[in-house]
Amino acid sequence: GAGVSQSPSNKVTEKGKDVELRCDPISGHTALYWYRQSLGQGLEFLIYFQGNSAPDKSGLPSDRFSAERTGGSVSTLTIQRTQQEDSAVYLCASSSKRGSYEQYFGPGTRLTVT
Amino acid sequence: GEDVEQSLFLSVREGDSSVINCTYTDSSSTYLYWYKQEPGAGLQLLTYIFSNMDMKQDQRLTVLLNKKDKHLSLRIADTQTGDSAIYFCRPVGQKVTFGTGTKLQVIP
Repeated sequence: GAGVSQSPSNKVTEKGKDVELRCDPISGHTALYWYRQSLGQGLEFLIYFQGNSAPDKSGLPSDRFSAERTGGSVSTLTIQRTQQEDSAVYLCASSSKRGSYEQYFGPGTRLTVT
Repeated sequence: GEDVEQSLFLSVREGDSSVINCTYTDSSSTYLYWYKQEPGAGLQLLTYIFSNMDMKQDQRLTVLLNKKDKHLSLRIADTQTGDSAIYFCRPVGQKVTFGTGTKLQVIP
């Protein structure tokens, strides 16, 4: 398919474990975003990648969260030592250009920390 | 207050019009988007308006922008049960900001 894909679609993990969430953006899109959507909350910006520039990490809630984007394409969001408050839907989006252009969202990964 | 604010919930009867409101603080916003999120799905771009426009109509959707008051609204005419979803506004300016989302419930 030509859309943004994310895996896994659902992840249940025990408190204290590490998890990795994957995002495959639309081919050719240079910008990639990660968001978190907690129950009853709006979308919370986490991190933004644009081409080869240093990522904007201003939205990461703690140092347990990190993300990388290899080869300017696939991105992995890693959460270390997960906590129950990390339970949320993690959405990835890509766009062809920074900020001003529409973002195409993946279906999200629902993370449940027990 | 928050950078982008929306009412959390709206309930309308099928066939009525729905109006979802959004207020924002970033006066440098150049594009303003509306996204729709159906249950269990990601966000889908619905429509958008440029900041130099007051109104944009697209079939059943009408977007109104009051730039002076930093107020954006989305009107859905003849609301259908398939319109039940969460609607997010997204002003695009200096920040990557979404509203909290408005859950629209359509009562048959």
